[in-house]
Amino acid sequence: KAGVTQTPRYLIKTRGQQVTLSCSPISGHRSVSWYQQTPGQGLQFLFEYFSETQRNKGNFPGRFSGRQFSNSRSEMNVSTLELGDSALYLCASSLEQGRDSPLHFGNGTRLTVT
Amino acid sequence: AQSVTQLGSHVSVSEGALVLLRCNYSSSVPPYLFWYVQYPNQGLQLLLKYTTGATLVKGINGFEAEFKKSETSFHLTKPSAHMSDAAEYFCAVSGSNTDKLIFGTGTRLQVFP
Repeated sequence: KAGVTQTPRYLIKTRGQQVTLSCSPISGHRSVSWYQQTPGQGLQFLFEYFSETQRNKGNFPGRFSGRQFSNSRSEMNVSTLELGDSALYLCASSLEQGRDSPLHFGNGTRLTVT
Repeated sequence: AQSVTQLGSHVSVSEGALVLLRCNYSSSVPPYLFWYVQYPNQGLQLLLKYTTGATLVKGINGFEAEFKKSETSFHLTKPSAHMSDAAEYFCAVSGSNTDKLIFGTGTRLQVFP
């Protein structure tokens, strides 16, 4: 079974631009979560989607948004990019929502903002 | 609210030595606890998890962890380190079913020959 696929793997953008990252979960998984990983802040939760509905949101500004499609694929968008948005963005899927369902992570998209 | 503290951002051991990575948690409800490993340029991979039942949990690659409620700890151990164990390790806690998974700041394990 294929794992979580994130595209693109690397991205370089300029301040003020916007970016869209894509995540395809493991087949059959209905929950998708997004995390931002930086050396200074570690892994920070962005949001979680289940059956196309946002179920949980982290403490990030409104420039960060996401959505989930009917096939469970998810996208996250960051508008008006800032230098501090440079990070590894990790997507994770799980079979169900709920804490008994472990997260399966993709290899991430490394975003560099210049 | 839940939180995780990983003591020691860097741990170095010799190949064949015991690996001990420390994790303490705080949770207002009975926690579910996880250890993940991250190799360079990769995502996180689940090593093991504790939900309920047996407090000693065995995971992949010879790792195990023991849930100690009285000490609010979930330390990760491996009897004999291998060079391939060099990676970053994250402890995580989940509270209620609606709570997101909260990660610790990670411990980078170095293994010397």
